[in-house]
Amino acid sequence: QKEVEQDPGPLSVPEGAIVSLNCTYSNSAFQYFMWYRQYSRKGPELLMYTYSSGNKEDGRFTAQVDKSSKYISLFIRDSQPSDSATYLCATEGAGNNRKLIWGLGTSLAVNP
Amino acid sequence: GAGVSQSPRYKVAKRGQDVALRCDPISGHVSLFWYQQALGQGPEFLTYFQNEAQLDKSGLPSDRFFAERPEGSVSTLKIQRTQQEDSAVYLCASSPLVGAGETQYFGPGTRLLVL
Repeated sequence: QKEVEQDPGPLSVPEGAIVSLNCTYSNSAFQYFMWYRQYSRKGPELLMYTYSSGNKEDGRFTAQVDKSSKYISLFIRDSQPSDSATYLCATEGAGNNRKLIWGLGTSLAVNP
Repeated sequence: GAGVSQSPRYKVAKRGQDVALRCDPISGHVSLFWYQQALGQGPEFLTYFQNEAQLDKSGLPSDRFFAERPEGSVSTLKIQRTQQEDSAVYLCASSPLVGAGETQYFGPGTRLLVL
């Protein structure tokens, strides 16, 4: 079992839809959770960052972490064609281990 | 300001050839990471430097993989006797400090194809 599980999709939605992306993780010691966006042939770029449980909102994006169920979510409101990309969830290794542990990534297409 | 840069962007190698991939982190960033991303997969950790010290190399898949950062800035990932399974995108990331939760900033990656 992978430490971070993510449905790879693909996910296709019409412009303006609300998108929900989800991951689960296995290690309760994980504290830092990130969502990265990766366009084709580009490196990942940090979209949202959350420490421990709770919600964080930034414009059209909301990240949620539920540590009791080991579940992390990213919501995109009023989705745009420019949001079409692969969305990767990641967490930082426990203790002093700084490596990022990643999900597979979900491919999202927002159709105009 | 300049972000993380990597070179070459694309590399085609014949099986058995040695390759060297370069990463220029953001100036002043202490931490540097290498990841390997196979097609359709999330990145997988390879190794981590704090300044010139290689603190974690647990993700290097075999002794054919070697990384260095001799002066604490530029890093090179070397792969000896390349195999077809080494074909992937190699991503470099840097972060300014060493504390937990510091943001990692990624370069565009080097796409390696081994024939």
